[in-house]
Amino acid sequence: DPKIIQKPKYLVAVTGSEKILICEQYLGHNAMYWYRQSAKKPLEFMFSYSYQKLMDNQTASSRFQPQSSKKNHLDLQITALKPDDSATYFCASSQDLGGPYEQYFGPGTRLTVL
Amino acid sequence: GDSVTQTEGPVTVSESESLIINCTYSATSIAYPNLFWYVRYPGEGLQLLLKVITAGQKGSSRGFEATYNKETTSFHLQKASVQESDSAVYYCALASNYGNEKITFGAGTKLTIKP
Repeated sequence: DPKIIQKPKYLVAVTGSEKILICEQYLGHNAMYWYRQSAKKPLEFMFSYSYQKLMDNQTASSRFQPQSSKKNHLDLQITALKPDDSATYFCASSQDLGGPYEQYFGPGTRLTVL
Repeated sequence: GDSVTQTEGPVTVSESESLIINCTYSATSIAYPNLFWYVRYPGEGLQLLLKVITAGQKGSSRGFEATYNKETTSFHLQKASVQESDSAVYYCALASNYGNEKITFGAGTKLTIKP
């Protein structure tokens, strides 16, 4: 059974719209993260959360807002979508923040903005 | 900032041949970063292949090896004899030795093994 679920797998949106990317982890982890991979670029760290609190934000734009309704959920709301937001978004989790804890990654949501 | 540069793909290797994927890093904010190789098999999420946290040490997993060389700031991935099941995208990465919250990844190398 998949331990980190991301929904949907593929998403197509129009410029200016808003979308929510879903992430749920069933590993009992306390820390969760979002990364993004745009075409021909490395995965980029976006956010880290620990016990549902934002710990680090490396995203310049306020259009990207993580939402944690439960400890094992970390959704990503993206508003006023732009074509440059087209990327695969990966959710990850680890036992805790800090220390040598391995991050486990979900399969990703591929977002295309037209 | 920190960065990782790795062999640009795609790379195609015949089954049972040897493989090396080069990786060099620049860690401007971290004295001795932790170094990783991640792998993404088709249709699956990214998973950790191996990790080395001490300079001079070698990590190994599933027949793959990588040695942390702080003199050359390199962490090349090697395998003596590849199998078709090794076809995947491989990512070299680094993180702070004080905590792995933010992982800095290379661009990834897509590897295809020809039967």
